[in-house]
Amino acid sequence: EIVLTQSPATLSLSPGERATLSCRASQSVSSYLAWYQQKPGQAPRLLIYDASNRATGIPARFSGSGSGTDFTLTISSLEPEDFAVYYCQQCSDWPLLTFGGGTKVEIK
Amino acid sequence: QVQLQESGPGLVKPSQTLSLTCTVSGGSISIGGYHWSWIRQHPGKGLEWIGSIYYSGSTYYNPSLKSRVIISVDTSKNQFSLMMNSVTAADTAVYYCARDPYIMRASDMWGQGTMVTVSS
Repeated sequence: EIVLTQSPATLSLSPGERATLSCRASQSVSSYLAWYQQKPGQAPRLLIYDASNRATGIPARFSGSGSGTDFTLTISSLEPEDFAVYYCQQCSDWPLLTFGGGTKVEIK
Repeated sequence: QVQLQESGPGLVKPSQTLSLTCTVSGGSISIGGYHWSWIRQHPGKGLEWIGSIYYSGSTYYNPSLKSRVIISVDTSKNQFSLMMNSVTAADTAVYYCARDPYIMRASDMWGQGTMVTVSS
């Protein structure tokens, strides 16, 4: 089973700042990695698939990069609505999927 | 616009079977190119993929849950379902259904989720 480790667990930033979230896989997943955003009481929302492709309707301030075992989600300039929990998901074994533990982006 | 909606009992007794249904509207579940998934989230915790199904009936399960889970599809009703037997308090969670396009290898559409509590 591929294990995903996200860091940091919590990121405290101010609106307008840049957020950099990390996801590390226990073995190579090629570019088959997705990122989701989840706000309290809501279902997750797909942000990025195949490591770097933005899903429909996702603002350009969200970008993904990486391949193999190390991946990054970058939010170039935090908007108030971006404070949420972010999860990575490996899709290398698709349709068998696993999620990382999440990173909470909170207001500093 | 495709929408997914979970339904089922919000309270299940320990050792009994949890049964949930996901109704897909705005599109056919029988269109190729998608898997249909169940995912859960324990209170205050992260996401756990339970399993998925193709409209033909092919299923894929999380190895840690495989012995207790059955996912089925009813194309005539445009629904897919989850059954989990021998539930315990550890199965208390919000259960989501989702759509997984082949081209994305990810879940691009989600239901709102339904809370299931296992308690006597």
